[in-house]
Amino acid sequence: QVQLVQSGSELKKPGASVKVSCKASGYTFTSYAMNWVRQAPGQGLEWMGWINTNTGNPTYAQGFTGRFVFSLDTSVSTAYLQISSLKAEDTAVYYCASFRGSSSFDYWGQGTLVTVSS
Amino acid sequence: DIQMTQSPSSLSASVGDRVTITCRASQGIRNDLGWYQQKPGKAPKRLIYAASSLQSGVPSRFSGSGSGTEFTLTISSLQPEDFATYYCLQHNSYLYTFGQGTKLEIK
Repeated sequence: QVQLVQSGSELKKPGASVKVSCKASGYTFTSYAMNWVRQAPGQGLEWMGWINTNTGNPTYAQGFTGRFVFSLDTSVSTAYLQISSLKAEDTAVYYCASFRGSSSFDYWGQGTLVTVSS
Repeated sequence: DIQMTQSPSSLSASVGDRVTITCRASQGIRNDLGWYQQKPGKAPKRLIYAASSLQSGVPSRFSGSGSGTEFTLTISSLQPEDFATYYCLQHNSYLYTFGQGTKLEIK
C-alpha cells in the first residue's frame, strides 16, 4: 500500500536549520510530484510548493523562497524539506503530500512538528 | 497568483442537516479543484477531486460541483464523524492555493 512516512518532531533554536524527510513506498516515486504543506498552530493549510520527482525541479509558493529548499534522493524514494535560519514563526506541522488533481491518487505523510524556540 | 475565497469560515449544524461550503477563485480554474477534510491532529484527507469526482472510499453524502470560479462542497446529511475542518485546493496554475478553511461544528 502507498505510504509516506515523515521524520520525527524537531526542536530547534532560532537561526538553526532543520531537514525533514518524507519516504515514499508502494508506488513509483518518480510518477508523481511531491508537495509540501505547512500548518501553523491553530491555523489553516498553506501550500508551500512542489518538486518534480523526475527532474528535481522545485517550485516555491510566495513566502517560501530563499530559506526553504526541496530536494530528493530518488535512490531511496525520499523527498526532503530543509529550512534554514529558523524563526519562531516557522513553528508548524509540515506535511509532504503526493497527489494528482485529475486522479484519485492522493497520499499524505503523517506530518512533522517543527518547533522553533530559544 | 490565484486566490481562493472560502465561505463560511465556520458553520454550526446538527446531525442530519444538509450543509454547503463554497470556494470562489479569483480567476477561472476550469475544474482544477479538490476538497479536503481535516480532523484535529490528523493529515488532511481528500474527499473530492476534479471538482466533482468522489474520492474512493468517501461516503456518497459528500458531493462537489462547480467549474470556472465558483465551487461547492455539499454534505447531504451530516453524520457525527463529519464535524471537522474543510479546505478547498486549486491546482490550475503551477502555484496551488488552499482556501482559508471552514470549521464545521456541532450545534
